[in-house]
Amino acid sequence: GAGVSQSPRYKVAKRGQDVALRCDPISGHVSLFWYQQALGQGPEFLTYFQNEAQLDKSGLPSDRFFAERPEGSVSTLKIQRTQQEDSAVYLCASSLEARNPSYEQYFGPGTRLTVT
Amino acid sequence: RKEVEQDPGPFNVPEGATVAFNCTYSNSASQSFFWYRQDCRKEPKLLMSVYSSGNEDGRFTAQLNRASQYISLLIRDSKLSDSATYLCVVNLRRGGGNKLTFGTGTQLKVEL
Repeated sequence: GAGVSQSPRYKVAKRGQDVALRCDPISGHVSLFWYQQALGQGPEFLTYFQNEAQLDKSGLPSDRFFAERPEGSVSTLKIQRTQQEDSAVYLCASSLEARNPSYEQYFGPGTRLTVT
Repeated sequence: RKEVEQDPGPFNVPEGATVAFNCTYSNSASQSFFWYRQDCRKEPKLLMSVYSSGNEDGRFTAQLNRASQYISLLIRDSKLSDSATYLCVVNLRRGGGNKLTFGTGTQLKVEL
């Protein structure tokens, strides 16, 4: 079946612009996660949804970052007034179940954001 | 101190060699443990879960030592196709969900 998809795959933004990154999780997956991966680093947790509820947003680096999943399926990560330090790959992952810590998270291909 | 620490490498090994990666984690409340593989410019993919009893999947063996907060991955008979970055991952359950914390990754290059 279809995996996690993300769009756009690449985004170049001028400093100060707002951007919106989209994630389509695997159908039926309850949990959805956003991660930020800087060059040469591992992914860093940003936020987590269980259905439409955002249960953990402790990893969002500033109030310029906002995520939503209004109908419990597609999610959007919005970054307002982008800064150069926001340049990274933004990865979305989904998981079938929320309660079992052993459930695999499936990652999308990521959106590579470059802020100039 | 980082929550998950790995030697970034690179580890350059000849085809057929055995190579071992190690990882330590700082939060003793971590509940589950994984190795993910990430190819250049691709997304991470689950390689295997890690259990205290140790587990093996073909040429790959993973081990967890909870007392020492230490995780290992052993790759036997390395193939060229094993070249990738190997990410050590721990799961700390919070907010009713599962928060994965990744190490920086260890880069492996298998050469002819």
